[in-house]
Amino acid sequence: GAVVSQHPSWVICKSGTSVKIECRSLDFQATTMFWYRQFPKQSLMLMATSNEGSKATYEQGVEKDKFLINHASLTLSTLTVTSAHPEDSSFYICSARPRDRNYEQYFGPGTRLTVT
Amino acid sequence: SQQGEEDPQALSIQEGENATMNCSYKTSINNLQWYRQNSGRGLVHLILIRSNEREKHSGRLRVTLDTSKKSSSLLITASRAADTASYFCASGGSQGNLIFGKGTKLSVKP
Repeated sequence: GAVVSQHPSWVICKSGTSVKIECRSLDFQATTMFWYRQFPKQSLMLMATSNEGSKATYEQGVEKDKFLINHASLTLSTLTVTSAHPEDSSFYICSARPRDRNYEQYFGPGTRLTVT
Repeated sequence: SQQGEEDPQALSIQEGENATMNCSYKTSINNLQWYRQNSGRGLVHLILIRSNEREKHSGRLRVTLDTSKKSSSLLITASRAADTASYFCASGGSQGNLIFGKGTKLSVKP
């Protein structure tokens, strides 16, 4: 149980285009989902916290107009990287927190984004 | 988010040896968690230790927590080549958010 999927697993796009990444909790309901970014050989940096049905809370330094987050249901959150630039190339990982289990997060397998 | 430090950044050992990784964090915590990440993959949760616990075991894993020093250690006993991965600690706050350390890259040679 507690499986989280991400789609796509990797994507290559051109500068200026937008890319949408999906995060799904497959066998549980997630009231909260988190989006992280990981540069090569570095740790995970929290970008934003998204709660179902409300606006996401962004960490300091993360542009909310560039990284659009939608948490439309208890099993799906999406991250859209708008007007992508090469410096947005990174590994994006989501995690989902089950309802009523405040201290558990289950991580997706990640999405490798390359912007050319 | 403020990240903690992990020590060492990289560790190379022979199969069968024990591997010890340390982690320090900066804020008060509700719990501390350790994760494993194989290259280019997602995270796998290993173990969670609560702030009122000092030591916890799970299989070949032993985790200690010293809240007075804001530090934790992860010991992997009798390491195997399959243990080769990056290991991250993450401090858990009261809101359920996680702040990750910088990670230790462990290489276990057969």
